[in-house]
Amino acid sequence: SQQGEEDPQALSIQEGENATMNCSYKTSINNLQWYRQNSGRGLVHLILIRSNEREKHSGRLRVTLDTSKKSSSLLITASRAADTASYFCANFSGAGSYQLTFGKGTKLSVIP
Amino acid sequence: EAQVTQNPRYLITVTGKKLTVTCSQNMNHEYMSWYRQDPGLGLRQIYYSMNVEVTDKGDVPEGYKVSRKEKRNFPLILESPSPNQTSLYFCASSFTGGGNEQFFGPGTRLTVL
Repeated sequence: SQQGEEDPQALSIQEGENATMNCSYKTSINNLQWYRQNSGRGLVHLILIRSNEREKHSGRLRVTLDTSKKSSSLLITASRAADTASYFCANFSGAGSYQLTFGKGTKLSVIP
Repeated sequence: EAQVTQNPRYLITVTGKKLTVTCSQNMNHEYMSWYRQDPGLGLRQIYYSMNVEVTDKGDVPEGYKVSRKEKRNFPLILESPSPNQTSLYFCASSFTGGGNEQFFGPGTRLTVL
């Protein structure tokens, strides 16, 4: 399977703390994306990092990419209760590929 | 409002009874795809379409069919549903494939008895 692996599977932190979640693939990474899903709802796009980028920021989000290790991490700084959700990475596998594979997700709980 | 719509949102059916889940987008997107989400397995791609009349298999296509006769619509067809197809299904679209932001529909919760 080309599905991504995410770590940890679940994470519980206090409001105001930082949350870090990791994602790795067995295949090469191309245009890796991160998504957020509130319980049972559709996914919402957070950020895209291209294979020639190493780090990207968007508000309280920081994403890093290590193509040699085929891995990425998502950091959420100064977390809020409203950040409670599941977070998924997604990768278009293979150069020019149109098949999108998701990780299994990290369930984040931010305690007020 | 730019959106992806799915119908129905909830469906309970019985084994073997053909069903179709519709998906429509109003953003003139070329790329559309279907996913199923199961506990502990994350999202797995069923089929995707790069454009009208162009479709291809994702990771878990068995038991599903799709068609893309119009740019805006991408229905998912289960010819003979089985209980192992009980799942939460999502449709998504983007301008093109190859790394663009995916816009997701609200999901269809399917139960096959």
